[in-house]
Parts: sequence; C-alpha cells; structure tokens
Amino acid sequence: QKEVEQNSGPLSVPEGAIASLNCTYSDRGSQSFFWYRQYSGKSPELIMFIYSNGDKEDGRFTAQLNKASQYVSLLIRDSQPSDSATYLCAVNGPSNTGKLIFGQGTTLQVKP
Amino acid sequence: NAGVMQNPRHLVRRRGQEARLRCSPMKGHSHVYWYRQLPEEGLKFMVYLQKENIIDESGMPKERFSAEFPKEGPSILRIQQVVRGDSAAYFCASSRELAGANTGELFFGEGSRLTVL
Repeated sequence: QKEVEQNSGPLSVPEGAIASLNCTYSDRGSQSFFWYRQYSGKSPELIMFIYSNGDKEDGRFTAQLNKASQYVSLLIRDSQPSDSATYLCAVNGPSNTGKLIFGQGTTLQVKP
Repeated sequence: NAGVMQNPRHLVRRRGQEARLRCSPMKGHSHVYWYRQLPEEGLKFMVYLQKENIIDESGMPKERFSAEFPKEGPSILRIQQVVRGDSAAYFCASSRELAGANTGELFFGEGSRLTVL
C-alpha cells in the first residue's frame, strides 16, 4: 500500500463546475496535510494546508480532512481553465520535521 | 524576496559522468529538502538537511548519491557515475525554522532537469 494515494486521472470538468480531488494516506499518526499545484514543467506551489478535522476554505478552494477515514480532499469551486494542472497531495509525518510524502498527483483538466 | 534558486535548470550528462545540482534556499530558511520526480510520477523524498548536517537521508540511494549543505554557500546534490535511470527532475525545497516546530510548509525551486545520455 502506498503511503499517499491519489487517482492519477485525468479528471475532466467543465468551466464553472466544482472539481473534487481526493487523497488517502496510510499513517494514522500523520498530522499535517498539504495540497500543491504543479503546472507542466514547473515547480509545485502550495495551495492549502490543513491540520484539523473538518473544512478549511480559502477563496475558491476548500480542503477537507477526515482523520478517522484517513482521507483528505480538495474542492475547487467555479473551476477555470487556468486551474488545469496536476494537484499533489502531501502528508507530513508524526515527527513534524517538514519531510513531506507526496502522492503521485491527479491531473485536472478544466474545459472551456 | 528571491525564492528558492536552483541551478543548473537543465543538465545533460553521459553515462559515467558526475552531476552536481545546486540549491540556495529562500532568505531566512535553514531547512533544505531534495526531491526527485520521474516523468508522470509524484515527488519522491531524497534527503533533508540543515546547515552542515544531514537530518534525514532515508530516501537517498545508498550508492553514487550524496548531499551537503555547508555553512557557507548553497546545498549540493551530487550524483556520481550517472546512469540513464537517474534522468529526472530534481527539486529543492526550503522551509523556515520555527521555534520548537517546523510546520512543513515547503517552498520549491524551479527544479534541475537531468538528462543522462
């Protein structure tokens, strides 16, 4: 079992729709969860982080965490073509050293 | 405020040669991480360093790979006797040292893309 799992996609949604990206992790001791966006040929950039169960909203983005189910998701409202990218889920281990374990990423395509 | 700086951006080496990748962290950041990304794959942790210390090298191959972060100058990832399987994008990331804890918010450089012929 991979430490952090994501569906590689591609996930295709029409412009203006809600895109839902999902991630599961294996280590119950994980404390911190991150979503990065990576455009093709570019570096990952941090979108959101979440530490507590529940929802965290930032603009069009909402991160959801359920530690009991070991599940974290990212919702993108009013999807735009510029949101088309690979979204990487990352988990920080219990030692909280900043070492992040990444999933393989989900490719999102937003069609105009 | 300059971000994480990596060079070279692109590097071509023949099998058996050495590759040296450099990374300067963001100003005020004392933690440096190296990740490798193969085509169509996620980022794989390699090594975590602080100034003059390797903290976690659990993701580094046992042979040919080494990393350092000297007191002065950038962090260096060194790959000796490169093979075709080393072809990948190598990303450096840095984070700020916080009193008592590291939040793990990493900021990435643009990456160094190594091609081994």
